[in-house]
Amino acid sequence: GQNIDQPTEMTATEGAIVQINCTYQTSGFNGLFWYQQHAGEAPTFLSYNVLDGLEEKGRFSSFLSRSKGYSYLLLKELQMKDSASYLCAVNPTGGSYIPTFGRGTSLIVHP
Amino acid sequence: EPEVTQTPSHQVTQMGQEVILRCVPISNHLYFYWYRQILGQKVEFLVSFYNNEISEKSEIFDDQFSVERPDGSNFTLKIRSTKLEDSAMYFCASNGLAGNEQFFGPGTRLTVL
Repeated sequence: GQNIDQPTEMTATEGAIVQINCTYQTSGFNGLFWYQQHAGEAPTFLSYNVLDGLEEKGRFSSFLSRSKGYSYLLLKELQMKDSASYLCAVNPTGGSYIPTFGRGTSLIVHP
Repeated sequence: EPEVTQTPSHQVTQMGQEVILRCVPISNHLYFYWYRQILGQKVEFLVSFYNNEISEKSEIFDDQFSVERPDGSNFTLKIRSTKLEDSAMYFCASNGLAGNEQFFGPGTRLTVL
């Protein structure tokens, strides 16, 4: 089966740094996505990691360790607009695309 | 900036009725997807579509569901006989050949009574 774990909710202060973790146990692994979803809106793509390591994209970075079944999304210089749900999704099947999503982490940024 | 569009934004239907949800992917994209999200729950993959045929589908995508690209721009999801548990937000997404960034539409909220 597929199992993806993320914290349900996190809070942080404007201007700070926050790390959202995701662990997965899946029947295979082909890549891991991070999406941002504001309430009532569609998910927005943030990153896709296939190989181990850190990928940086502006204020957002995503890290992957395939051997540990672990990823994190790092958000720097938090802004109020970063308050959203952050979804971790794993594509477990090589050569195809059938992603499994986590339940998402609701991040609340306060002044 | 090009974007994925979906119509209608909200659809209310009676149980047992057929519904068709419509999507217009970004014009030069080749891969199309449908997802659903039941209120308060996680996003679930339904189906992917490429080169006028289904590439992959999840266990959710049973015989009640079908997809079609009737012309060069529209991509539709049909639910033949809706059930109460089909009530959800349905998102369409698309991406091009390069990369894995999918662009999601704003969604259609389906309510089955």
